[in-house]
Amino acid sequence: EVQLLESGGGLVNPGGSLRLSCTASGFTFGTYAMSWVRQAPGKGLDWVSGITDSGHYTYHADSVKGRFTISRDNFKNTLYLQMNSLRAEDTAAYYCAKLNGPVAGYGMDVWGQGTTVTVSS
Amino acid sequence: QSALTQPASVSGSPGQSITISCTGPMIDFDDYNYVSWYRQHPGKAPKLMIYDVSSRPTGVSNRFSGSKSGNTASLTISGLQAEDEADYYCCSFTNTHYDFGTGTKVTVL
Repeated sequence: EVQLLESGGGLVNPGGSLRLSCTASGFTFGTYAMSWVRQAPGKGLDWVSGITDSGHYTYHADSVKGRFTISRDNFKNTLYLQMNSLRAEDTAAYYCAKLNGPVAGYGMDVWGQGTTVTVSS
Repeated sequence: QSALTQPASVSGSPGQSITISCTGPMIDFDDYNYVSWYRQHPGKAPKLMIYDVSSRPTGVSNRFSGSKSGNTASLTISGLQAEDEADYYCCSFTNTHYDFGTGTKVTVL
């Protein structure tokens, strides 16, 4: 079964850091691009970051550029999101998603169940 | 603020057809095909329903169809069923980033 499982969410103070992980199973992880998408409570979907199959190219939304870093370890079948300088507006459920191709532009055909990040003092 | 505009809500009776629109400047190009659609039930993860404007992933009902005209992409749900009641989001890819639409709540009357 194709599956994505996020972890690493939690409560963090403003200005703090957190690293999210997404462990993949059931497909050849290293041949697909991946993305992180978030959803603030009661709000719509908000794309955060993307990375190509090899990890050579990464993309970030303007709202997180310079603060968040997406990366992947294809040997561990794991996607990461390092989040620094967190703000209250980063509070959201964070989903990892598999793209149905090796580079950006494809649809997101598999989603994890999400992990919640709360930024508050 | 999203670059893609959707109606806040659309409703229909069981068995009817409804169409959700998604308007954005990049969609207007003839060879632009980076439009996808997602369904999200409350408390659940999104699910891909349409990609590349009009392609359906394996396992998605053929009651769902996508199209594009001018600067507007559309998702049509035919034979509306209770399970179709959910939030729907369009999504486009431009250069190096994705944009999600504002979202449409579909209500089955």
